[in-house]
Amino acid sequence: GQNIDQPTEMTATEGAIVQINCTYQTSGFNGLFWYQQHAGEAPTFLSYNVLDGLEEKGRFSSFLSRSKGYSYLLLKELQMKDSASYLCAVREIHLSGNTPLVFGKGTRLSVIA
Amino acid sequence: GAVVSQHPSRVICKSGTSVKIECRSLDFQATTMFWYRQFPKQSLMLMATSNEGSKATYEQGVEKDKFLINHASLTLSTLTVTSAHPEDSSFYICSASGKAITEAFFGQGTRLTVV
Repeated sequence: GQNIDQPTEMTATEGAIVQINCTYQTSGFNGLFWYQQHAGEAPTFLSYNVLDGLEEKGRFSSFLSRSKGYSYLLLKELQMKDSASYLCAVREIHLSGNTPLVFGKGTRLSVIA
Repeated sequence: GAVVSQHPSRVICKSGTSVKIECRSLDFQATTMFWYRQFPKQSLMLMATSNEGSKATYEQGVEKDKFLINHASLTLSTLTVTSAHPEDSSFYICSASGKAITEAFFGQGTRLTVV
């Protein structure tokens, strides 16, 4: 089973930094993903963590602590186009051998001028 | 990244009819495909997982006789919504993964409206 929690909504100012937190509980952890989703569109991949620590990719960074069941996505130098939903997803290992991504409810980020 | 093509992008159907949604991996062999449903302002809910050549594994609460999934080849999976009702109106998204592939790649999604 799984339980993935992230804030429902956040607002930040253009040019600023925002951190979106995600906590999870799962019986078979096999990696944590962050996706960006604009309304009415499919999610696009942002980052992947399977080991503890920070992964940096341009303006986006993601951190994972497996012992704490905690991750965050850090967005720097915010731009208006970053206004979107950010989905935290845990890849689980099921007894069947399948490894689906299970998604949190998403955080709607609004970037304001 | 790898390409997953989902078709159609939008469909409107009458209540009681069936709709088929296709999901194709264009440049890799998708050993596993996942089907999700997303209602407005909510997150993606996993409906089922299909492995090539075997029966799909459905999540709790998803009717397997209503949502028929076929994954007959390494590049194609289909989801058929049978006897559609207005409450089935939703955004359906497929995701494909293959051996030695870290991330799952998403199709463009299908907006289904049942009238």
